[in-house]
Amino acid sequence: DVVMTQSPLSLPVTLGQPASISCRSSQSLVYSDGKTYLNWFQQRPGQSPRLLIYRVSYRDSGVPDRFSGSASGTDFTLKISRVEAEDVAVYYCMQGSHWPRWTFGQGTKVEIK
Amino acid sequence: DVQLLESGGGLAQPGGSLRLSCAASGFTFTDFAMSWVRQAPGKGLEWVSSIYDHGTVTENADSLKGRFIISRDNSKNMLYLQMNSLRTEDTALYYCVRVGNGTFDHWGRGTLVTVSS
Repeated sequence: DVVMTQSPLSLPVTLGQPASISCRSSQSLVYSDGKTYLNWFQQRPGQSPRLLIYRVSYRDSGVPDRFSGSASGTDFTLKISRVEAEDVAVYYCMQGSHWPRWTFGQGTKVEIK
Repeated sequence: DVQLLESGGGLAQPGGSLRLSCAASGFTFTDFAMSWVRQAPGKGLEWVSSIYDHGTVTENADSLKGRFIISRDNSKNMLYLQMNSLRTEDTALYYCVRVGNGTFDHWGRGTLVTVSS
């Protein structure tokens, strides 16, 4: 199975400052259709996960534009331009290119300093 | 609005069985593959099982070693997970998830399964 490795696992941030989470895949995530199925989820405390970004950089409906995703080969990044209090959560990357064997990263806990 | 409502969780003994259900509404159920994802207490997310839109093709995580069976009833808009030979490490919150745009685009609230003697 494809292994997804996130870093850091814990990220203390200052309100209003940017934050960045990395995710590396053990194999290429370019699917046979030429698309890259790398997704980001947000799980706030006590809530179900929520889709933030799909296919590397497409924000799901209702996701604030301070969230963005990018890729460089097998390295993927989720960026929050200015962290707000409601962004405190655990963030997971997940690959879907090798579906139906989806695999998640370990999760990155974002907290306020 | 898409709604996924899980049920069937509870306390089971090691070696026992449970059947989870997920009632789907707010979308055309037969247009989407569905999955189960679990989360052990304080841990991360783990994909468990998936089933294609017409139910003819299923896939399970290797770690389950064939103990779980996913199924769906398209006439009732229902998804199921039959869990057999339960182990303490199966203790987790089990989420019903819709597969859309090549990702997990909608999640239920989850149903808690506790395996303990």
